[in-house]
Amino acid sequence: GDSVTQMEGPVTLSEEAFLTINCTYTATGYPSLFWYVQYPGEGLQLLLKATKADDKGSNKGFEATYRKETTSFHLEKGSVQVSDSAVYFCARGQSGGSYIPTFGRGTSLIVHP
Amino acid sequence: ETGVTQSPTHLIKTRGQQVTLRCSSQSGHNTVSWYQQALGQGPQFIFQYYREEENGRGNFPPRFSGLQFPNYSSELNVNALELDDSALYLCASSRGTSGGAPGELFFGEGSRLTVL
Repeated sequence: GDSVTQMEGPVTLSEEAFLTINCTYTATGYPSLFWYVQYPGEGLQLLLKATKADDKGSNKGFEATYRKETTSFHLEKGSVQVSDSAVYFCARGQSGGSYIPTFGRGTSLIVHP
Repeated sequence: ETGVTQSPTHLIKTRGQQVTLRCSSQSGHNTVSWYQQALGQGPQFIFQYYREEENGRGNFPPRFSGLQFPNYSSELNVNALELDDSALYLCASSRGTSGGAPGELFFGEGSRLTVL
C-alpha cells in the first residue's frame, strides 16, 4: 500500500550545521507531499508542501524538492538553530486526490548550542 | 495558532470505560480528520468526516466511532478502552474538496488519553 519512509532519528547537530532528513514514498500517481513539524508539547504544524513533480516547498529556511524519479522529498536547511529542535514528519496525500494524508514515523532533531 | 481546538487536553480512564473527545474546526473548514499518535510514532489515521458523513476510515476497530455536527465540529468516541488506546489523539481540519492542497491539515494540540 501507499507509505512514507523517513530516516530514523534522533538527528543531533550543532547550531549552524547543515540538515538533511530523508523521506521517500510509495504511491501510484502523483500525490501531494508535505513536511509537518511538532514542537515539544504541541500539535503538528505544516512546515512546507509541494503539489507536483519538481516543485520546491520552502519555509523558515527549510526546503524540500518533489523528486518523482527517486520518489523522494528530502528536507534540508543550510544552518539550523536551537529553536529548530522538534520532530519532523513527512507526509503524502493519497493518490487520486483523496484528502487523507499518510504520515511517516517522524524524525527527532536535536540542535545543541 | 491553527484555530483548531480540542478538549479535554488530558484525561485518565480505566480499562473498559468509554471516552468522548471533542474538536472544533477552523472557520471555513468542512472536513475533520482524527489521528492517533502513540509515543514516538507518527500519527495513524482513524477516520475523516466531510460535511457530517464519514469519508474514509483507517485500520481501527468499530469501537472507535465519530460524529460531525452541522457546524463542522466533531467528536471521537472510544468504547471498551484498552491499555493500548493510551495515546495523543489529534484532530485536524481542512477545506476538503472546496479548496486547499489535498492533504493540507490544520491540527489541534491534541487530547492525551491515559488508560490504566
